[in-house]
Amino acid sequence: EIVLTQSPGTLSLSPGERATLSCRTSQSISSSYLAWYQQKPGQAPRLLLFGASNRPTGIPDRFSGSGSETDFILTISSLEPEDVGMYYCQQYGSSPRYSFGQGTKLEIK
Amino acid sequence: QVQLQESGPGLVKPSETLSLTCTVSGGSISAYYWNWIRQTPGKGLDWIGYVYHNGDTRYNPSFKSRVTISVDTSTKQFSLELQSVTAADTAVYYCARGGPAARDFDYWGQGTLLTVSS
Repeated sequence: EIVLTQSPGTLSLSPGERATLSCRTSQSISSSYLAWYQQKPGQAPRLLLFGASNRPTGIPDRFSGSGSETDFILTISSLEPEDVGMYYCQQYGSSPRYSFGQGTKLEIK
Repeated sequence: QVQLQESGPGLVKPSETLSLTCTVSGGSISAYYWNWIRQTPGKGLDWIGYVYHNGDTRYNPSFKSRVTISVDTSTKQFSLELQSVTAADTAVYYCARGGPAARDFDYWGQGTLLTVSS
């Protein structure tokens, strides 16, 4: 089973700052198999990035992703107040077919 | 715009079977994988399993002995049954569509809180 470890646990930044969130996998995976989600309070998760760096239609370009093998990064270039929430990475693999990291909580000062 | 809506009892007694249904609207149920995912404060997000439009299923081994997921394409619904529930099964349950490459989840329902309690 591939374990995803996200860091930091909590990130507190001001509007306009750059946020860098990390997701580390216990085994190397293809970047095609890594996704990121945003979950605002009281809402369902929303797909932010698929294939590590691809934005679905409607996701602002301040969200970007990078990484390979075991280390993946979600970057929010200039924080907006509405970016507050939890961020999860997710991998596609063998067993279980899908698994998630424990999340990073993003707070806006 | 694809929309998913979960429905279910909200409260189930220990040892009973949890049954939830997800209704798909605004898009086709064909050619996609339809998933159940749950979220608990302690364990975060857990993928439970999926059903393909043709009825093929795959489950998380953590749930495999207790779970059944089925689909009814005529009503554009798919369902989750989880047997022998305990308090540890108390969670928000989401239904979600697998993305075009089935490697992620591109549409989610709003979630339904299911509490296991006598």
